[in-house]
Amino acid sequence: DIVMTQSPSSLAVSAGETVTINCKSSQSLLSSGNQKNYLAWYQQKPGQSPKLLIYLASTRESGVPDRFIGSGSGTDFTLTISSVQAEDLADYYCQQHYSYPRTFGGGTKLELK
Amino acid sequence: QVQLKESGPGLVQPSQTLSLTCTVSGFSLTSYNVHWVRQPPGKGLEWMGRMRYNGDTSYNSALKSRLSISRDTSKNQVFLKMNSLQTDDTGTYYCTRDLPGTHWGQGVMVTVSS
Repeated sequence: DIVMTQSPSSLAVSAGETVTINCKSSQSLLSSGNQKNYLAWYQQKPGQSPKLLIYLASTRESGVPDRFIGSGSGTDFTLTISSVQAEDLADYYCQQHYSYPRTFGGGTKLELK
Repeated sequence: QVQLKESGPGLVQPSQTLSLTCTVSGFSLTSYNVHWVRQPPGKGLEWMGRMRYNGDTSYNSALKSRLSISRDTSKNQVFLKMNSLQTDDTGTYYCTRDLPGTHWGQGVMVTVSS
């Protein structure tokens, strides 16, 4: 199974700051066939279902603000949130969709400083 | 529009079997995969398994011996059955169309307790 390791586990930020969440996979998520990285990012607010933000490492889901940017390749990935807003305070998870079983990172809690 | 809704008992006794139903609308089970994901209280997400559009299934290896996923396409329903429940199976259970997926159910909270 591919192990997904997220860091940090929690992050305290002020509104307007730029934050970076890291995700590392135990195996490469890069497909040699199409050169795409099979990594997704989700946002989850208390009491809500996860919301897909990004897939294929950097493709933003429709309707997701452009302050959410996914990057990385191979085994190292990053979610950057520029100019954090109060509505962005939530838990964030990475998930590989390269192979089965699907696996998630442990999550990063974004809190207000 | 696309909708998924989980249903099932809120309370299950230890060692018993959990049966959940995911009822979908707005799409066909023969065209899309449906996954089950669970989340213990205050903890992260765990992929449980998948019903593929063609009827094939895949399971989390850690749960495979206890887990079964099936479907009834005529009723637009996907079923999850997991036996030998323990307290650490307590959590919210979600079904989702595709993973990664935009469409998730609201989740159903299951408590394993005597």
